[in-house]
Formats: sequence, structure tokens, C-alpha cells
Amino acid sequence: DAGVIQSPRHEVTEMGQEVTLRCKPISGHDYLFWYRQTMMRGLELLIYFNNNVPIDDSGMPEDRFSAKMPNASFSTLKIQPSEPRDSAVYFCASSLPLSTGTEAFFGQGTRLTVV
Amino acid sequence: AQSVTQLDSQVPVFEEAPVELRCNYSSSVSVYLFWYVQYPNQGLQLLLKYLSGSTLVKGINGFEAEFNKSQTSFHLRKPSVHISDTAEYFCAVSDWSNDMRFGAGTRLTVKP
Repeated sequence: DAGVIQSPRHEVTEMGQEVTLRCKPISGHDYLFWYRQTMMRGLELLIYFNNNVPIDDSGMPEDRFSAKMPNASFSTLKIQPSEPRDSAVYFCASSLPLSTGTEAFFGQGTRLTVV
Repeated sequence: AQSVTQLDSQVPVFEEAPVELRCNYSSSVSVYLFWYVQYPNQGLQLLLKYLSGSTLVKGINGFEAEFNKSQTSFHLRKPSVHISDTAEYFCAVSDWSNDMRFGAGTRLTVKP
């Protein structure tokens, strides 16, 4: 397996534009996580899915953020409208059930810059 | 809910010196503990993990960590660091709730 694949690797957009980040988890993993990494706040869990269903979205900063998982092999994180404070690195990770002690596998991240 | 505190945001050390990166966790239930490493412009990679059993866990690249239940700690150690160990290190905890929480990270800088 190629691991968790995120696209794009870098995104520069203007304030007010819609941004969509994409993630393909490792095949067979039934958990998918979206994290945001900033210097100020470190690595924050935004939302996670189990079997394509959102389980906990309490980390999503506000209504401008939305995430979907239409099938087991694809997820999106959308920001509409984007703001400069959304600039960060966004990571997607996937795993088998963490309750069994397995680890999460991370993608390379998408570096988002909102100008 | 579980949480993780990494006590040092930055740790500078000279090459071939020993290093310890500190991590404390809080949880009301049994936990699994992890250390991840992040090299510049890359994602996080697993260094090692503690599930149960022996409290001393050995990982990749010569790193090891010790689980101390009474002190709720999981400190990461390496007896002799290399320049290539310069990276950000994250401690993480998970439990029955199927999410994983990370500490703020410790930036290890190895100087020649």
C-alpha cells in the first residue's frame, strides 16, 4: 500500500475562496482523522470518521469547516470561505480501531496558505 | 478524556550526547502511549508504542521510552544522538474512545 495520500501538498489561496483538501486512507483502515498543525496550537484533532460516519467533530473550529467521507477510500476537508488564520498544515491519518492499540498512519500533509 | 503534556518545547543538545524528551499524560482509564517523529516538511512517523507488558519499550533509530504508571509519564530517551535526529517529536495517547490526542511537540535540535 502507498500509505495515506493527501492532495494537494501545497495550496495558496486568497481570502474568501473555497478550499478543498483531499485524503485517501490506507485500504482496510476504518478510521480516518483530520488534524491541523500550527505553531501556536500544535497538532489539533478536527474530526474523525469510523466506517465513513463522522464520530466526533468537536474540534472543527467553526461552520466554515466541513468534512465528508463519501466512501471508504476518500475524504475531503472543505473551508468556505477561507481566512488567513486558517493557514496551517492539515494532516489526514487512518487506522484500524485505536482501542486495540494500533497506531495512526499519517499522510504527508497539505500546507495551506491563505493570503 | 485523555490529554498529553510535553514539558519541553525545545531541546538543544550536542551530537553524541544523551537526550530525554519528557511526556506526561492524564487519563482515567488504561491508555496506549506513542511517540512519533516529524522530519521537516513530512508527516508523522511512529517511533515506538506502549500497549502493555514491559514498561521499557524500544523503537526505531535507537530510541526507547519508559512507561511509569505511578508518575503518568512516558519519557523518550536516546543514549547518543546524531545530527539526523533533529526533528519534532510528539507524544500521543489513545484509549477505548478511538481517538488519539497529541502533545504540543518537542523540537530536538542536535548541534555538531
